Amino acid sequence: QVQLQESGPGLVKPSQTLSLTCTVSGGSISSGYYYWSWIRQPAGKGLEWIGRIYTSGSTNYNPSLKSRVTISEDTSKNQFSLKLSSVTAADTAVYYCARDNYSSGWYQDFWGQGTLVTVSS
Amino acid sequence: DIQMTQSPSSLSASVGDRVTITCRASQSIINYLNWYQQKPGKAPNLLIYTASSLQSGVPSRFSGSRSGTDFTLTISSLQPEDFATYYCQQGYLSPWTFGQGTKVEVK
Repeated sequence: QVQLQESGPGLVKPSQTLSLTCTVSGGSISSGYYYWSWIRQPAGKGLEWIGRIYTSGSTNYNPSLKSRVTISEDTSKNQFSLKLSSVTAADTAVYYCARDNYSSGWYQDFWGQGTLVTVSS
Repeated sequence: DIQMTQSPSSLSASVGDRVTITCRASQSIINYLNWYQQKPGKAPNLLIYTASSLQSGVPSRFSGSRSGTDFTLTISSLQPEDFATYYCQQGYLSPWTFGQGTKVEVK
């Protein structure tokens, strides 16, 4: 059973960079079949897909965030990471990491528990 | 981006009721439509993928269907553990986009 766990600071100051890591267990991120995504959810609101990474280092980003987002991987630690620069209060949300699976279309079949990041001075 | 519109935004139902939630895509997404259940303080949980395929471990009272660009999630007999918020999502074209959610509440 694949498990994902987000980690990182829960409080980030405005204009700074948000950095989160997702540690994957029960499966290798370099297995070559899955993508690995970041998704966020502001309190009381819906879900927004941020972007994803493949084992080759190939990435896809949401155009709405692309200029501020970097997703990278560390296969030696079986982790992938999110960096979001120049944050504002609008970036306050629960951030989830998830596994992208494919069967005639993409879907997220395993999710981390989520981590709340608050942007505030 | 592909826009996903869910209806209703909320509904009240009783245990044993048949519940139907609809999701419409702004353009063709073939059948690349997924449904998730989310309970307060928890991550979303995949119920249905590619419109009608039941994720492993999900009870058979959940089902999905498609008619053109309209998709439906049906709970055949609502159980106490089914009170939650449900989201549709298209997995056809990046960026993946979600509906705004449908909250199923106790009547």
